[in-house]
Amino acid sequence: GDSVTQMEGPVTLSEEACLTINCTYTATGYPSLFWYVQYPGEGLQLLLKATKADDKGSNKGFEATYRKETTSFHLEKGSVQVSDSAVYFCALSGSSNTGKLIFGQGTTLQVKP
Amino acid sequence: DSGVTQTPKHLITATGQRVTLRCSPRSGDLSVYWYQQSLDQGLQFLIQYYNGEERAKGNILERFSAQQFPDLHSELNLSSLELGDSALYFCASSVSANSYNEQFFGPGTRLTVL
Repeated sequence: GDSVTQMEGPVTLSEEACLTINCTYTATGYPSLFWYVQYPGEGLQLLLKATKADDKGSNKGFEATYRKETTSFHLEKGSVQVSDSAVYFCALSGSSNTGKLIFGQGTTLQVKP
Repeated sequence: DSGVTQTPKHLITATGQRVTLRCSPRSGDLSVYWYQQSLDQGLQFLIQYYNGEERAKGNILERFSAQQFPDLHSELNLSSLELGDSALYFCASSVSANSYNEQFFGPGTRLTVL
């Protein structure tokens, strides 16, 4: 079945450092790919998405490119801030007509001043 | 604020009991999803309703059931509770059931089974 694998955390960075969180997926057909973020004590919120190969999703300085050839959707940011500290989830929604999300295990990011 | 509301925020109960979690989707959203978040299993899809009808089922236990009402709010019923059912339960909604639509998540209900 469909699955998502994320790099293990936690990831600890200093402010203004570069961030990459790796995400790879296994799916049949042409899934849509998402990054969701969960701040402490809150629900998940969409960070960015890409719905077809070679699409680049971007938001708040974060970017991820849908790479079908490597089945990857890595999350990147050039300069992280303390306020980016959160748990990041990579997810996919398969090509069936349900929209259900399959999540990776989540990566905790801690940014220190 | 995502526009999705969930009640209650916290629930503490004993093994063997039954509880009901409630979710109100964003105005205009027809699809409601339920997810369970636990330390050992991560975030898992439980069940989806679209416009009152069950659309998809994940690894939902037989002790769990859900429904979506005509006003589109949804309830997740958990019965014969076990310690392992302790988790954060999220409801999410989206405008349709397509794979490319964003899902908006509620703040969750934290269930503790003692």
